[in-house]
Amino acid sequence: AQKVTQAQTEISVVEKEDVTLDCVYETRDTTYYLFWYKQPPSGELVFLIRRNSFDEQNEISGRYSWNFQKSTSSFNFTITASQVVDSAVYFCALSELGTALIFGKGTTLSVSS
Amino acid sequence: GAVVSQHPSRVICKSGTSVKIECRSLDFQATTMFWYRQFPKKSLMLMATSNEGSKATYEQGVEKDKFLINHASLTLSTLTVTSAHPEDSSFYICSGVAGGFYEQYFGPGTRLTVT
Repeated sequence: AQKVTQAQTEISVVEKEDVTLDCVYETRDTTYYLFWYKQPPSGELVFLIRRNSFDEQNEISGRYSWNFQKSTSSFNFTITASQVVDSAVYFCALSELGTALIFGKGTTLSVSS
Repeated sequence: GAVVSQHPSRVICKSGTSVKIECRSLDFQATTMFWYRQFPKKSLMLMATSNEGSKATYEQGVEKDKFLINHASLTLSTLTVTSAHPEDSSFYICSGVAGGFYEQYFGPGTRLTVT
């Protein structure tokens, strides 16, 4: 069975701090996709990244970076030099080819100035 | 990326009435659409999978007679909440899957409040 665990329910940081959001997943398939989404108070999901199971290369996009490690079934997300605008709920999700996404419970990030 | 729209974005209805939510893929053909529900401060949970031209597949615990899904074309799926009750108040989000390589695009969501 597929499962996504985001153990951190809420994280509070002060602006300019780095913060890492953890994501651990379970799947029996060898082909799967991992995602991160941001959900601001408006509710609309903002796509951040998709990774397939065959690509373990870490990725950096501006202040965002992702660390995918199949050995530990983790797909962690780091925000460097956090800003108030980063405050939101962040979801990690997993899917197999052509299936719906299985979401983690989300991590609420609060960045204060 | 591709765009999925939802209408309405917000709806308030009285208990016992029915509400229809539309999900449209604006610039691609969605052979499959998914409907998710999100309760306040909770995660998104899959309700049903909708394939164009066939009956929707519902997740365990989701009443198919209460949440009617119609996917009549490759660009439109509708979710009708029949005889809505306050416990149906939630944020409903759809997503469309483009053909070929797997890509899933989410709509902006519809916030339903049943009074």
